[in-house]
Amino acid sequence: AQSVTQLDSQVPVFEEAPVELRCNYSSSVSVYLFWYVQYPNQGLQLLLKYLSGSTLVKGINGFEAEFNKSQTSFHLRKPSVHISDTAEYFCAVRISNTGNQFYFGTGTSLTVIP
Amino acid sequence: NAGVTQTPKFQVLKTGQSMTLQCAQDMNHNSMYWYRQDPGMGLRLIYYSASEGTTDKGEVPNGYNVSRLNKREFSLRLESAAPSQTSVYFCASSGSAGGPTDTQYFGPGTRLTVL
Repeated sequence: AQSVTQLDSQVPVFEEAPVELRCNYSSSVSVYLFWYVQYPNQGLQLLLKYLSGSTLVKGINGFEAEFNKSQTSFHLRKPSVHISDTAEYFCAVRISNTGNQFYFGTGTSLTVIP
Repeated sequence: NAGVTQTPKFQVLKTGQSMTLQCAQDMNHNSMYWYRQDPGMGLRLIYYSASEGTTDKGEVPNGYNVSRLNKREFSLRLESAAPSQTSVYFCASSGSAGGPTDTQYFGPGTRLTVL
């Protein structure tokens, strides 16, 4: 069975500090990995995705993530957060041989403290 | 382009009532999805439609039915609402290519309360 684990349900961080949101997945076949952001009372927006190639992926709003196949991880990072980054972040995986289904983690609530 | 639209935005039902949540996309996507979002549970897939004319169960299909009306529209029906169906419902669509690298695009959500 496939699963996605977001290890931290809540992450408070001071403004301009770096942040890392952790995501691990379990799959024995090739995967495609995504990070989504959800601002209060809104739908999910794509931050970045890993499909193939370079393991370091850059996304919108200064976020980046690194795919680590040996660790089965896809952690999200930002070197300096802003108040506007306060949101819920979801990691998602799509399995190469299932085609259409996405599997989402339970989310990490990032709160940026002024 | 409007992207993915959902109606209504909010709804309150009494136990046993029925309702249909509507979803439409204007991106010519093949696949469409319905999720529910509950605190601490993330997003769970209710049903999806890989292409027009097909639908498949996801992780939590009980108590729901879906209709892929055409390529643009995918509706979710609650025949007899229960308090356990109180949730935020998201519709999503993906890919003209229809493959696993397609990105999902989400609607703004419907907040449903069942009393």
